Amino acid sequence: NAGVIQTPRHKVTGKGQEATLWCEPISGHSAVFWYRQTIVQGLEFLTYFRNQAPIDDSGMPKERFSAQMPNQSHSTLKIQSTQPQDSAVYLCASSTTGGMNAEQFFGPGTRLTVL
Amino acid sequence: GEQVEQLPSILRVQEGSSASINCTYENSASNYFPWYKQEPGENPKLIIDIRSNMERKQTQGLIVLLDKKAKRFSLHITDTQPGDSAMYFCAASANSGTYQRFGTGTKLQVVP
Repeated sequence: NAGVIQTPRHKVTGKGQEATLWCEPISGHSAVFWYRQTIVQGLEFLTYFRNQAPIDDSGMPKERFSAQMPNQSHSTLKIQSTQPQDSAVYLCASSTTGGMNAEQFFGPGTRLTVL
Repeated sequence: GEQVEQLPSILRVQEGSSASINCTYENSASNYFPWYKQEPGENPKLIIDIRSNMERKQTQGLIVLLDKKAKRFSLHITDTQPGDSAMYFCAASANSGTYQRFGTGTKLQVVP
């Protein structure tokens, strides 16, 4: 079991460019979560899918962030018109059940740097 | 009220002593309380969890306590070692369909 896979591990973009981050959950896991981690804000929830359906995106900045889960084997987080304040480590996690009361398995993260 | 508060944000202890991290939650329906450890450059990993039908749980030098009346839970690391130095996150969730809320994290430094 390879665990949660995230690609790329590092991404550098210029201000105003688009960034797409990929996550492959553990096979058989039905819940996928996206988080953003910075030193200042800590671990921030962004969005959550269960059985590929978006359940809660209350943590997503509305204007430039979007997430999709087109199939059970991967999810994407897209940031349009990236800004320096988007620089962070973006973590994806998956969970076996509906996701609420179960251990979350985190991927290694994608470190996004916006210049 | 869904916030999880975690204190302290930084904790520095002497090797061999114990370390305690405290969290409070707002949602009285919360019934699952995991703790995650994140070592430098690594992703968070579950180290211990407790459900609301328990008040205390212990495993391998880790003790978690849960006080449902006070909506408070805590992690106690006994006989700390340098390998315990890491970020620790508490979290809380309920069956009601809300996602797992994380605390802001505690940076534990175990010094010789």
